[in-house]
Amino acid sequence: DAGVIQSPRHEVTEMGQEVTLRCKPISGHDYLFWYRQTMMRGLELLIYFNNNVPIDDSGMPEDRFSAKMPNASFSTLKIQPSEPRDSAVYFCASSSPLVDTDTQYFGPGTRLTVL
Amino acid sequence: GENVEQHPSTLSVQEGDSAVIKCTYSDSASNYFPWYKQELGKRPQLIIDIRSNVGEKKDQRIAVTLNKTAKHFSLHITETQPEDSAVYFCAASMEEYGNKLVFGAGTILRVKS
Repeated sequence: DAGVIQSPRHEVTEMGQEVTLRCKPISGHDYLFWYRQTMMRGLELLIYFNNNVPIDDSGMPEDRFSAKMPNASFSTLKIQPSEPRDSAVYFCASSSPLVDTDTQYFGPGTRLTVL
Repeated sequence: GENVEQHPSTLSVQEGDSAVIKCTYSDSASNYFPWYKQELGKRPQLIIDIRSNVGEKKDQRIAVTLNKTAKHFSLHITETQPEDSAVYFCAASMEEYGNKLVFGAGTILRVKS
């Protein structure tokens, strides 16, 4: 398995633009997590899904952020409109507690820069 | 909700020495405690984990200890090597919340050769 796949790896955009980050979890994993990492706030859980259903979105900072998981192999995190304070590395992770305990496998991340 | 505190924030050790990183958690219902290592510009990767029914777990040079009564757990790295230099994160979770992890703030470990 190729592991968790994220795209793009780097994104530079201007304030006010829409940004869409993509994630493909490890095949067979039924949990998917979106994290944001910054120097100031560390690793923050934004939202997570179980069997494509959002379970907890309490970490989503505001209405500008939305996430979807239309099927078991794809998820998106959208920011609209983007702001400079959204600049961060966004990680997607997946896990399958029934198969591999609670280990979360992280993707390579998307480094987002909002100018 | 759960809160995880991690200390120290930075740690410098001489190659060959041991390194210890400590975390405390607030919710006594937490029962799963993983440790992740993140090298510069890379993704976090699990290095060891422990469940609340176990007091200690070892994997070669790495060990984790858990004190449920005091609600703290620690990562021990022996015979440190330059490649151990990275940021280490502890985390805690409760099964009833799926495997939602709450992470500590991280410890920057520098191993000087």
